[in-house]
Amino acid sequence: EIVMTQSPATLSVSPGERATLSCRASQSVSSNLAWYQQKPGQAPRLLIYGASTRATGIPARFSGSGSGTEFTLTISSLQSEDFAVYYCQQYNNWWTFGQGTKVEIK
Amino acid sequence: EVQLVESGGGLVQPGGSLRLSCAASGFTVSSNYMSWVRQAPGKGLEWVSVIYSGGSTYYADSVKGRFTISRDNSKNTLYLQMNSLRAEDTAVYYCARGAVAASARGAFDYWGQGTLVTVSS
Repeated sequence: EIVMTQSPATLSVSPGERATLSCRASQSVSSNLAWYQQKPGQAPRLLIYGASTRATGIPARFSGSGSGTEFTLTISSLQSEDFAVYYCQQYNNWWTFGQGTKVEIK
Repeated sequence: EVQLVESGGGLVQPGGSLRLSCAASGFTVSSNYMSWVRQAPGKGLEWVSVIYSGGSTYYADSVKGRFTISRDNSKNTLYLQMNSLRAEDTAVYYCARGAVAASARGAFDYWGQGTLVTVSS
């Protein structure tokens, strides 16, 4: 099983600031990596697939990068609606998720 | 508009059974790969099972032999039959659609709102 490790567990950021979230895979997943956003009481929402492609309707302030085992999700200027938990997911070998990064208001 | 609506969750005793349903609209279930993903209270996401358009099915080791994924094409509905339930199966269960775009194949582009399964005596 491919283990996905996200850091940090919690990120405290002020509105308008930049947030950088990391995700590491225990073995290469190529670019088969997605990011999801989940707000309390809601289902996850697909943000990024293929490590760097924004899903339909996702604002340009969200960007993804990386390949192989190291990946990054960047939110360029945090809006109030962006405070949530973010999960990375590999789909190179079945599916596994990271444990999540909570982005909270500083 | 694509919609997924789960139902069938509830309280069940250890060793019991439950069948979850996921009614789809706006697309054809049998034309996509469909999965169940669960989330234990306060925890992260765990993939549970997948059914491909061709009918092949696969399961996470944690549920293999106890859970069965299926679909009814006439009702455009996905199911998860859960037997021999354990306390550690307690979670919100989401159905999710496999991304349609070829470049996104593997990701899940639409999710239902989830249904809570509680296994407790």
